[in-house]
Amino acid sequence: DAGITQSPRHKVTETGTPVTLRCHQTENHRYMYWYRQDPGHGLRLIHYSYGVKDTDKGEVSDGYSVSRSKTEDFLLTLESATSSQTSVYFCAAGGQNTEAFFGQGTRLTVV
Amino acid sequence: QQQVKQSPQSLIVQKGGISIINCAYENTAFDYFPWYQQFPGKGPALLIAIRPDVSEKKEGRFTISFNKSAKQFSLHIMDSQPGDSATYFCAASNGNTGKLIFGQGTTLQVKP
Repeated sequence: DAGITQSPRHKVTETGTPVTLRCHQTENHRYMYWYRQDPGHGLRLIHYSYGVKDTDKGEVSDGYSVSRSKTEDFLLTLESATSSQTSVYFCAAGGQNTEAFFGQGTRLTVV
Repeated sequence: QQQVKQSPQSLIVQKGGISIINCAYENTAFDYFPWYQQFPGKGPALLIAIRPDVSEKKEGRFTISFNKSAKQFSLHIMDSQPGDSATYFCAASNGNTGKLIFGQGTTLQVKP
């Protein structure tokens, strides 16, 4: 896992509730990413961070927000979860144009 | 607006054969092109990567071919083995922004 830890690993939540997923890294990587993986769509970038408090949108950012108050932590928040946000979420961290290391993923089910 | 397009979606190859996966990109600002391998229940892991100043990179049985003018790159797996059965993702990165975009993935099955 190269020092990337995601929590929780599994979560079931109800439609309309807020959900926060946490990504923690131990290697002081500058860049951190949140992706969602769905069959037929591959890995789609939700948001990414290029430094503390510096974030930008990815391909599928609607309905998601992120925060990075410390180098090691990158939080993904679903303000009001919907069934379309049922997915496997991956966090990654890396340097500029170098290997990105992925966590083990969080399986989120919105019922 | 898929910035990195990958094909085929799935691939079945006999043991010992050559597996070929293709990717195309649109944004000429991309300057780093990695391939990732993912096994079920795991996160993706870097397999091999190339920068646009070279046309080919080989690491063991894995080779990336890169065509800058066509904005295409491909992964070749020589002497494919059942242990290579996995999902493969191409990706492209913009070094200025750090943005890392993935293709749709290819599920490879190598039959013994």
